[in-house]
Amino acid sequence: DTEVTQTPKHLVMGMTNKKSLKCEQHMGHRAMYWYKQKAKKPPELMFVYSYEKLSINESVPSRFSPECPNSSLLNLHLHALQPEDSALYLCASSPPGEGIGELFFGEGSRLTVL
Amino acid sequence: GQQLNQSPQSMFIQEGEDVSMNCTSSSIFNTWLWYKQEPGEGPVLLIALYKAGELTSNGRLTAQFGITRKDSFLNISASIPSDVGIYFCAGHGGSQGNLIFGKGTKLSVKP
Repeated sequence: DTEVTQTPKHLVMGMTNKKSLKCEQHMGHRAMYWYKQKAKKPPELMFVYSYEKLSINESVPSRFSPECPNSSLLNLHLHALQPEDSALYLCASSPPGEGIGELFFGEGSRLTVL
Repeated sequence: GQQLNQSPQSMFIQEGEDVSMNCTSSSIFNTWLWYKQEPGEGPVLLIALYKAGELTSNGRLTAQFGITRKDSFLNISASIPSDVGIYFCAGHGGSQGNLIFGKGTKLSVKP
C-alpha cells in the first residue's frame, strides 16, 4: 500500500460549522504533514507530526487544530473558518531516516468556506 | 526565509519537443526534489537528488543537483500530452528545516 488517503475529497462549510479532514497512510511512515494550497501556488506547510508528536506549527491560526491519534492517522479539525481559508488541503507522509524530503501526498481535500 | 526561484513560470510546447526548467536559490540545500502536480491531484515525487553534481534519470526525465548546491534543473525529453501539469522544485536541508517549494512551472503540451 503506497497511498495516502484523504477524506472527504470535497467539503463545503459555513463559517460557524465544525468539520474535520482525515488522512490515513499504511506505509509505516512516522512523519505526517498538513499543507494548504491555494490555486496556482505551491503547497504551504501548516503542521508536521513526527512519531505522533507535533513538531512544527507554522504559526497557523487556532481555528485549525491538528490531531494525530496514531502513526497511521492524521486529522485536521476546522472551526469558525473564514472564506479566505478556502483552499486545497493536502496531507503527506514521509519515511523515517533516508529519503528526507520525499513526501507522499494524498489527493487533497478541496475546502470551500461560505 | 529561504526562497527558490523557479523558471519559466509556464511553457507551451508542441508534442515531441524537449523541455527544460530550473530552480535557483541564494542559499544551499542538501537535497533537491522535483514534483509534478496534475489537476485535482496531490503532487507526486518525480526525482530526488542527494549529492552535489548528481545527475539522475527517471524515464524521459533527467534532473541534476547543481555543483554549488544552489540550483537544479529538470529536463523532459520528447514530451507527450500526459506530461501536462505543474512541476515544482523543492529544496530541503537548508537553514530552515522544512521542504521549500518553488512557485512551479506550468507545462502545456499541444498534440
